[in-house]
Amino acid sequence: AQSVTQLGSHVSVSEGALVLLRCNYSSSVPPYLFWYVQYPNQGLQLLLKYTSAATLVKGINGFEAEFKKSETSFHLTKPSAHMSDAAEYFCAVSENNNDMRFGAGTRLTVKP
Amino acid sequence: DAGVTQSPTHLIKTRGQQVTLRCSPKSGHDTVSWYQQALGQGPQFIFQYYEEEERQRGNFPDRFSGHQFPNYSSELNVNALLLGDSALYLCASSVFTGTGSYNEQFFGPGTRLTVL
Repeated sequence: AQSVTQLGSHVSVSEGALVLLRCNYSSSVPPYLFWYVQYPNQGLQLLLKYTSAATLVKGINGFEAEFKKSETSFHLTKPSAHMSDAAEYFCAVSENNNDMRFGAGTRLTVKP
Repeated sequence: DAGVTQSPTHLIKTRGQQVTLRCSPKSGHDTVSWYQQALGQGPQFIFQYYEEEERQRGNFPDRFSGHQFPNYSSELNVNALLLGDSALYLCASSVFTGTGSYNEQFFGPGTRLTVL
């Protein structure tokens, strides 16, 4: 069965510092992997997706993620945090594209 | 081009009541999926509709049912509401292109359901 685990329910960084949000997945077939961002009282916005093409995926707002099959990981990074990056981030996995399994989320706080 | 829209935005019900939530997919999309997001948790897949049929279902009881109309819009119905049904209900739409291929899901803003 497909699942994801997000390590760290809260991450706090200073403005300008590296952002690293961790995600490990479990899947019986080559998965599709996603990172979504959710701002307060809003729906989910897709940051980036891995669909079996390049293992390093670049997304919106300067975010990127690397698919590492050997580590079953899909960590999200951004070189320099901005105050506007403060939000809830969700990693998700899908095997058949009919349903996505989401992690519990990581709340990112950016300190000035 | 309107994205995915959901109504109502907020809803308050009491235990035992029934509720209907509505979703209009993004223009050109024919598939609608529903998710439940409890406070402080990630979204959980409820079910997906395509061609007016439920194609796949998550681990939710039969109290949760849905419908898709010929214009691809969809409804989520929940009967005999429990306190634990309080959550943000998200609708996502996509284009069906067959199994094994990737179809991006676009999410609506959600309906916040509070059960008292």
